[in-house]
Amino acid sequence: SQKIEQNSEALNIQEGKTATLTCNYTNYSPAYLQWYRQDPGRGPVFLLLIRENEKEKRKERLKVTFDTTLKQSLFHITASQPADSATYLCALDRAFGNEKLTFGTGTRLTIIP
Amino acid sequence: EAQVTQNPRYLITVTGKKLTVTCSQNMNHEYMSWYRQDPGLGLRQIYYSMNVEVTDKGDVPEGYKVSRKEKRNFPLILESPSPNQTSLYFCASSLQGNGYTFGSGTRLTVV
Repeated sequence: SQKIEQNSEALNIQEGKTATLTCNYTNYSPAYLQWYRQDPGRGPVFLLLIRENEKEKRKERLKVTFDTTLKQSLFHITASQPADSATYLCALDRAFGNEKLTFGTGTRLTIIP
Repeated sequence: EAQVTQNPRYLITVTGKKLTVTCSQNMNHEYMSWYRQDPGLGLRQIYYSMNVEVTDKGDVPEGYKVSRKEKRNFPLILESPSPNQTSLYFCASSLQGNGYTFGSGTRLTVV
């Protein structure tokens, strides 16, 4: 069956360091992979999308990599700040479109001052 | 402001009493989707729509109905709510190949 796993439920990182979150998947052939941020009680907020033919994408302090051979995406936040504390979700499309987007259960990131 | 608007934000209802959660987007997005979020289970897709009059089941469609008569609106209907439908619901919309914009959520309690 298709499965998405995010490396850990919770991750604590010292302020200023780089936080790295992992998303692994099995039995998918996604056209693209997305990362979202979710704060408690609020809707997810889209951060980055990376396509299957792209190795890396950057946006300000965020970087995403996508390895379709390893079936893995890494999400990096450099120079982390307490305001980066949130749950981060990866999501994969199950078809070549955007209708069947499946989410991982998320990693709760805490940046410690 | 570009947004997805859900109403109501909070709802407590009794078993069996039909209810509708509305969702509207002002971005002319073709894709719309409903998710429910439960502790430990994450976001699970209920229904999605690729355009007007085109809808299909997601992973957990039982007990729900949707309609897409206009591009901007995608209401979620619970014909006979049960306690296991107590959850946090999110509506979302997007263009193909882009990230989703989510609404603020509807916290539903069925007693």
